[in-house]
Amino acid sequence: DQQVKQNSPSLSVQEGRISILNCDYTNSMFDYFLWYKKYPAEGPTFLISISSIKDKNEDGRFTVFLNKSAKHLSLHIVPSQPGDSAVYFCAASAAAGNKLTFGGGTRVLVKP
Amino acid sequence: GAGVSQSPRYKVAKRGQDVALRCDPISGHVSLFWYQQALGQGPEFLTYFQNEAQLDKSGLPSDRFFAERPEGSVSTLKIQRTQQEDSAVYLCAVASQSYNEQFFGPGTRLTVL
Repeated sequence: DQQVKQNSPSLSVQEGRISILNCDYTNSMFDYFLWYKKYPAEGPTFLISISSIKDKNEDGRFTVFLNKSAKHLSLHIVPSQPGDSAVYFCAASAAAGNKLTFGGGTRVLVKP
Repeated sequence: GAGVSQSPRYKVAKRGQDVALRCDPISGHVSLFWYQQALGQGPEFLTYFQNEAQLDKSGLPSDRFFAERPEGSVSTLKIQRTQQEDSAVYLCAVASQSYNEQFFGPGTRLTVL
């Protein structure tokens, strides 16, 4: 029973264009959502988060959108850079500070 | 990230061997989490400590898995009688001061032959 799903295993985008990563969840108890980036042989690195009381949070090139009614969130990276090439995980928790439930990840390749 | 180190970084064990994986966070982190990441999947929760108290161990896959944090700082995840299905990356994370985010160590890649 996957409570957090990332349906696109991979994404290829041209440098300078927008990358859009999607994530769906099923557990209505989730109220805090996070995105992590992971390079090979490293631990996940926190990118950006959003509380369920908001529908958008922006930090530099990264924006996360939350649609609670659809149980859907997305991460926008604008403009995409080659250094953004990594695996991206969305994660959710039932409250800030609680255990995280992760999606399966989306591998992003940004072509120069 | 956030001053979490893990050791060893790589461990190869023969099936049936016991292993101990260490997580060493910088001081002051109350909350500590262990996750298991199988190849090609996202991390999965194993267990959670608040200081030295293990408040949630619902994710431990079997009684061969045991975790401790006796002084509320360094934590050890022990796996007894390792099996091939235990092969994974084991990640340790600490919560931020606001408790909203978790910051991960580099992980220990365990390979059971």
